[in-house]
Amino acid sequence: QQQVKQSPQSLIVQKGGISIINCAYENTAFDYFPWYQQFPGKGPALLIAIRPDVSEKKEGRFTISFNKSAKQFSLHIMDSQPGDSATYFCAAIMEANNNAGNMLTFGGGTRLMVKP
Amino acid sequence: EAGVAQSPRYKIIEKRQSVAFWCNPISGHATLYWYQQILGQGPKLLIQFQNNGVVDDSQLPKDRFSAERLKGVDSTLKIQPAKLEDSAVYLCASSFVRVAGANVLTFGAGSRLTVL
Repeated sequence: QQQVKQSPQSLIVQKGGISIINCAYENTAFDYFPWYQQFPGKGPALLIAIRPDVSEKKEGRFTISFNKSAKQFSLHIMDSQPGDSATYFCAAIMEANNNAGNMLTFGGGTRLMVKP
Repeated sequence: EAGVAQSPRYKIIEKRQSVAFWCNPISGHATLYWYQQILGQGPKLLIQFQNNGVVDDSQLPKDRFSAERLKGVDSTLKIQPAKLEDSAVYLCASSFVRVAGANVLTFGAGSRLTVL
């Protein structure tokens, strides 16, 4: 069961443009939504994260927008740079659930290419 | 701080052969995870350890996959016998405590398995 759906699968953006990646989730018990960035040959690394009690979180050029009623959240990369070219994964977890089986559920990933 | 170490980085085997992957987590991280990342997909959790005990192995194909973390530090993941569909990158990750949300989940670079 795919609990976190991510789109688009791939994205090409010109340098300086805005990259937008969207995710939708099904389980309303999810209460923590991180984004991971993965470069070729490397493991995913935490980029930015948000909890559903806020609608937006900004860190530098990266912003998460969160719509709790629609069960959707998105990553915006402002002034995209060639160095941002990577695969981005959204994820979700029930942070408040301390029982066994609390797992991070990943979206399918978006391969971003920023053209110079 | 040293990262999560994994070996080997690459492995090519024939179907029905066996393979083992090794992971050394960040020092002091009690929780260790093994994820399977098939090309073009997000990571999928296979097994989660808390110290040397299994917290969740519900998505581990137990007929062919096994994992252990005997002394609560290093871990090994074994596949025997391998199938073509096991071709993937096997990511090891660790975190300070079991709840991986607010506590950064740090991934290793992964072990890429190709089954011919």
